[in-house]
Amino acid sequence: SYVLTQAPSVSVAPGKTASITCGGKNIGTKSVHWYQQKPGQAPVPVIFYDSDRPSGIPERFSGSNSGNTATLTISRVEAGDEAEYYCQVWDRNSDHPYVFGTGTKVTVL
Amino acid sequence: EVQLVESGGGFIQPGGSLRLSCAASGLSVRINYMTWVRQAPGKGLEWVSAVYDDGSTYYAESVKGRFIISRDTSKDTVYLLMNSLRPDDTAIYYCARAAAGHHFDYWGQGILVTVSS
Repeated sequence: SYVLTQAPSVSVAPGKTASITCGGKNIGTKSVHWYQQKPGQAPVPVIFYDSDRPSGIPERFSGSNSGNTATLTISRVEAGDEAEYYCQVWDRNSDHPYVFGTGTKVTVL
Repeated sequence: EVQLVESGGGFIQPGGSLRLSCAASGLSVRINYMTWVRQAPGKGLEWVSAVYDDGSTYYAESVKGRFIISRDTSKDTVYLLMNSLRPDDTAIYYCARAAAGHHFDYWGQGILVTVSS
């Protein structure tokens, strides 16, 4: 089955840029979605279809996807961005079509 | 406004069964892809099961043959019947709507299932 790999953690200073990567074989041929999850809360979508922001998500959140890596970028990081971030794809050729990445904990220093 | 409300969780012994419910408002389960996603304590998100608008069902390998997803379109409710429960099924179970692009745009608040002797 399809595997998505994320770095376990990323640390970033306030006001700087955080880049969170999601690796998968030919992931550039799939649509990648990203979710933010804070402790004790349900996940919240922050990026759909590689780079589209749902209503209410700040422009500081952006995404890209090419080759074997998709990237979620958070610009001008704020303390409130500290959370776990998960990528997700749909693998149309699988009986287990929904795949989540392993998750990246973003810590704001 | 779309709301998904899970219920039915709790403490169960290994080998037991439990049925989770997800009551939807603001959307029709008949024409949507409805899914269950779980999260074990301190772990990441794991997709569990889905039922599509045409009634077809899908399962993660870890629960195939033990869990059954179903829906009652008259009640706009989705169910997850969990049989032969194991300690590693302990998790928060989320109900989520998968939009047409197969991303999860609406989530419930989650319900805790604890499997332990």
